[in-house]
Amino acid sequence: DAKTTQPTSMDCAEGRAANLPCNHSTISGNEYVYWYRQIHSQGPQYIIHGLKNNETNEMASLIITEDRKSSTLILPHATLRDTAVYYCIVSGYGGSQGNLIFGKGTKLSVKP
Amino acid sequence: GAVVSQHPSWVICKSGTSVKIECRSLDFQATTMFWYRQFPKQSLMLMATSNEGSKATYEQGVEKDKFLINHASLTLSTLTVTSAHPEDSSFYICSAITNEQFFGPGTRLTVL
Repeated sequence: DAKTTQPTSMDCAEGRAANLPCNHSTISGNEYVYWYRQIHSQGPQYIIHGLKNNETNEMASLIITEDRKSSTLILPHATLRDTAVYYCIVSGYGGSQGNLIFGKGTKLSVKP
Repeated sequence: GAVVSQHPSWVICKSGTSVKIECRSLDFQATTMFWYRQFPKQSLMLMATSNEGSKATYEQGVEKDKFLINHASLTLSTLTVTSAHPEDSSFYICSAITNEQFFGPGTRLTVL
């Protein structure tokens, strides 16, 4: 599975959009981009995933560049409860069959 | 999303005893479940892949005789930490696959 690079930490003001970048320059054609987050002392929570098209759900939007070498997770109106470690994971099999390899993620701190 | 539960949520035991952790998929059947371990301030590390009706597949460096995995039904996988020692103290997280991979809330094990 391809490796991802994320900033170690980010701050965001409550109510503002949080934009979390991820580089995955070695992604292969059949690998998806997955985003999970982990609030302190809890299991990871699925957020969103995509292959090449931009995706949006009730939690977030995922913007994938045309060359698929990077992506951005957007939380449109961050709240204090969005404070967590966000993991960008590239996975074959669409993540539905294989294990997910977690990197260090980005620690997002949403501040009042 | 699908719900995965773990029991217990936390456990404290004496060194040398064995501890069993249960992972259940509550509203779906899962032929494959994964067990992860997370030490403080570190990311999740895959320990083993649990397949219903067959032997688990362990990651390199994980002792299969110490971490016994049983996946006897499509909704239940168990991890038994045998002869636990203080270095086994960690946050153990399971996941199960339906259309996506969903994680349990984790079990915090403290070995005295």
